[in-house]
Amino acid sequence: EAGVAQSPRYKIIEKRQSVAFWCNPISGHATLYWYQQILGQGPKLLIQFQNNGVVDDSQLPKDRFSAERLKGVDSTLKIQPAKLEDSAVYLCASSIGLMFREKLFFGSGTQLSVL
Amino acid sequence: RKEVEQDPGPFNVPEGATVAFNCTYSNSASQSFFWYRQDCRKEPKLLMSVYSSGNEDGRFTAQLNRASQYISLLIRDSKLSDSATYLCVVNVADRGSTLGRLYFGRGTQLTVWP
Repeated sequence: EAGVAQSPRYKIIEKRQSVAFWCNPISGHATLYWYQQILGQGPKLLIQFQNNGVVDDSQLPKDRFSAERLKGVDSTLKIQPAKLEDSAVYLCASSIGLMFREKLFFGSGTQLSVL
Repeated sequence: RKEVEQDPGPFNVPEGATVAFNCTYSNSASQSFFWYRQDCRKEPKLLMSVYSSGNEDGRFTAQLNRASQYISLLIRDSKLSDSATYLCVVNVADRGSTLGRLYFGRGTQLTVWP
């Protein structure tokens, strides 16, 4: 079974530039998540989709971050403009659905460095 | 106050040792609990769910204490391959809804040496 695919694997940009990350979840998984993991911390949820609808974006800094999952499959996360504190690993995850005790499958992540 | 608190360690133990990690959570509405494992520069992977009665999976035992709001993970007979960061994860559900948000602790780093 193919896992969660993410690209790019690494990205280095200067502050105030824009960046976009792509994620393709496991086939058939209705729920897709974007997490931010800063070095030395646990992953923090940015946004959660159920199919192509947003179910939780309360922790997304909407002045600079945006995400979409137009056809209910793959998703993009964008940062515009980037700040130094956005340096982190951006993890995409998917699960079969929203119910409790769901197992999350994570992609390998995109490591972003903002200089 | 953070939703999930963990001692970051590091814990350095010899092969064969028994090691225990604890984590506390702040929201009494927390519904379900998990331990994830994260190898260096890799993505987190589910290690085990934590059930109210406690549960065991081979050398790993997870316990939940709802009254004190803490979760523990015990690893017996440690192996070199157990070296990783162990993330405590809590699912907090919205009241009256099946939707929930997972909160991850910062992780506890374990190194098992020969």
